[in-house]
Amino acid sequence: AQSVTQPDIHITVSEGASLELRCNYSYGATPYLFWYVQSPGQGLQLLLKYFSGDTLVQGIKGFEAEFKRSQSSFNLRKPSVHWSDAAEYFCAVGANQKVTFGTGTKLQVIP
Amino acid sequence: DGGITQSPKYLFRKEGQNVTLSCEQNLNHDAMYWYRQDPGQGLRLIYYSQIVNDFQKGDIAEGYSVSREKKESFPLTVTSAQKNPTAFYLCASSPAGGWDYTQYFGPGTRLTVL
Repeated sequence: AQSVTQPDIHITVSEGASLELRCNYSYGATPYLFWYVQSPGQGLQLLLKYFSGDTLVQGIKGFEAEFKRSQSSFNLRKPSVHWSDAAEYFCAVGANQKVTFGTGTKLQVIP
Repeated sequence: DGGITQSPKYLFRKEGQNVTLSCEQNLNHDAMYWYRQDPGQGLRLIYYSQIVNDFQKGDIAEGYSVSREKKESFPLTVTSAQKNPTAFYLCASSPAGGWDYTQYFGPGTRLTVL
C-alpha cells in the first residue's frame, strides 16, 4: 500500500517570497503524483500532476513540482507567492487503484 | 459549464436521523467517489463507484451508504449508525474509471450534528 507524508502542517511566507512545500511518498514503483489546493470551505482544485516523462511539471497559477525518484519526493514550488495563494495544499499518490492524500500543508501569506 | 455539484452546502442533523448528501456531475465521468475531511486528517475515502449499479467500500464505510442508479449521480446517506458524522464531505469524479487517478472535486457539504 502507498502512503504520503507532508511534513509541514503550517507554513508562513511573505508575499513575493519563494515557496516550497514538501511531499514524500512511499510506493514500490513510480506512482501517479498530484498536488491539489483547497481554499477554506471549498473543494479541491488540481494544480498539477505527474505520470512520467519530464520530472519538472508545470501547473496552474504559476506552480511547479519536481519529481525526485531517489528521494521519493514531489515538492511543490512557486518563485513568488501572492496573497491569494493562502490556502491548504494536498499532495496525493495514485496507485493500486486508489488515491491516497497527505494530511495537508496550510499556507499563510503575510504582507 | 461542466462540473460537479453538491447540495446542500450546509446541513444540520439531529442525532438519530439519516441524511442524504447529493452529488451530481455532468462531466460524463465513469467513476465517482465520496471523501470525508476532518481537520488535520486529509481526505479519507468512504465509498467509490466505477460503473453504474456498482460501488465498493472505501476505508471508512461504516455508517454510510450509497447508490449509483445513474452515471451522473452518486448520493451519500449518512445513517444514524455513524458515530461521529460531523465533518466536511467531498464528492469527486474521474474519467474512464480512474485509470489515471485524476480526480475532480465538488465544492463540498458541511454536515453538523446537533
